[in-house]
Amino acid sequence: EPEVTQTPSHQVTQMGQEVILRCVPISNHLYFYWYRQILGQKVEFLVSFYNNEISEKSEIFDDQFSVERPDGSNFTLKIRSTKLEDSAMYFCASREGPTMKYGYTFGSGTRLTVV
Amino acid sequence: EDKVVQSPLSLVVHEGDTVTLNCSYEVTNFRSLLWYKQEKKAPTFLFMLTSSGIEKKSGRLSSILDKKELFSILNITATQTGDSAIYLCAVEAYNNDMRFGAGTRLTVKP
Repeated sequence: EPEVTQTPSHQVTQMGQEVILRCVPISNHLYFYWYRQILGQKVEFLVSFYNNEISEKSEIFDDQFSVERPDGSNFTLKIRSTKLEDSAMYFCASREGPTMKYGYTFGSGTRLTVV
Repeated sequence: EDKVVQSPLSLVVHEGDTVTLNCSYEVTNFRSLLWYKQEKKAPTFLFMLTSSGIEKKSGRLSSILDKKELFSILNITATQTGDSAIYLCAVEAYNNDMRFGAGTRLTVKP
């Protein structure tokens, strides 16, 4: 079964450093998303991406964050100048199209720990 | 402001019991409501509901949507310990946003 692949599975970084979280969506999917889940809290929408541009972003997704699809397969989330409160599980998701029957497919997540 | 509210937040039952999980929502430009099961890591897809009153079933799980009253329920019959998980409700809008509820933590005891 096709999978969304995320790397690394766990990243530890020092406060103030930049991190890049990587995702390889399912190959025929066109819509891509990043979500985060702070430990013990609910899953929060960060950003959606379609046709090589951001289609929607939440209030969490401020100038500290950016996304890109540099090579047509990888979909990355960059977090600049990380803060302690950025520690969370970050999920990438993709789906085939706007009328997809089976919902989104999530990757297994990257656990980011900022120390 | 868009919101998705799940209840109860936590539920403990014994194997064989039937449970009903609730999800109510207020979302602009509603497109669909989705249920996910989250065990250790990523949410796994259960159901997507777009039309009112049409029950979706998968084994012991079933779900239905009421677009007039803005809620959905997820039923699990004859629960098993493997059903223990967090059940997430998410609502998708036409702008591609998907908002999650806080989840219901279900614990099924042997």
